[in-house]
Amino acid sequence: KNQVEQSPQSLIILEGKNCTLQCNYTVSPFSNLRWYKQDTGRGPVSLTIMTFSENTKSNGRYTATLDADTKQSSLHITASQLSDSASYICVVSENNAGNMLTFGGGTRLMVKP
Amino acid sequence: DAGVIQSPRHEVTEMGQEVTLRCKPISGHDYLFWYRQTMMRGLELLIYFNNNVPIDDSGMPEDRFSAKMPNASFSTLKIQPSEPRDSAVYFCASSLLLARASVPEQFFGPGTRLTVL
Repeated sequence: KNQVEQSPQSLIILEGKNCTLQCNYTVSPFSNLRWYKQDTGRGPVSLTIMTFSENTKSNGRYTATLDADTKQSSLHITASQLSDSASYICVVSENNAGNMLTFGGGTRLMVKP
Repeated sequence: DAGVIQSPRHEVTEMGQEVTLRCKPISGHDYLFWYRQTMMRGLELLIYFNNNVPIDDSGMPEDRFSAKMPNASFSTLKIQPSEPRDSAVYFCASSLLLARASVPEQFFGPGTRLTVL
């Protein structure tokens, strides 16, 4: 059964600190892995999309890594800001169309001043 | 572009009533997705359309749920009759597949928070 497991479930850090969120998956076949940020009361917003051949991708202070061999991904947030407080969802797709998605349960991040 | 537009943003209804959720995708996008999000189950794909045609509705929970896309700029998700367990946030998303090898980004709407009493 295809699964996406995220850890930790929740995290509290102080403003300015770095953090790393983890995503392990068992989805097969694999097409791409996406990280989304979801603010409370809003829809998810795409941060990064990585295909099989990509090891790392950055979007500002967000850097995602992918190890397709071990089926692991991480999202690193540098110099956290209060606005980074949100849920971060890892999603693995079996194809490009976007219909064969397996969603992780998300990591809820809270950045405190 | 205003992004994906959903209405209403909040809906409170009584069990047994019909509920219709609406979505306007980003202009020019050829894929439209309906999702449901709950605390227990997270995000779930319900159905998706390509060029207004329903392609995969295997995620639709039961016959009480139906979705239509009469044209490229409008889609509805209908629940009839509604039940308390349908309470969730329903998201619509759209994307554009530019080329076979590309990975299209999905743009989500703000969601409709449905409460069935």
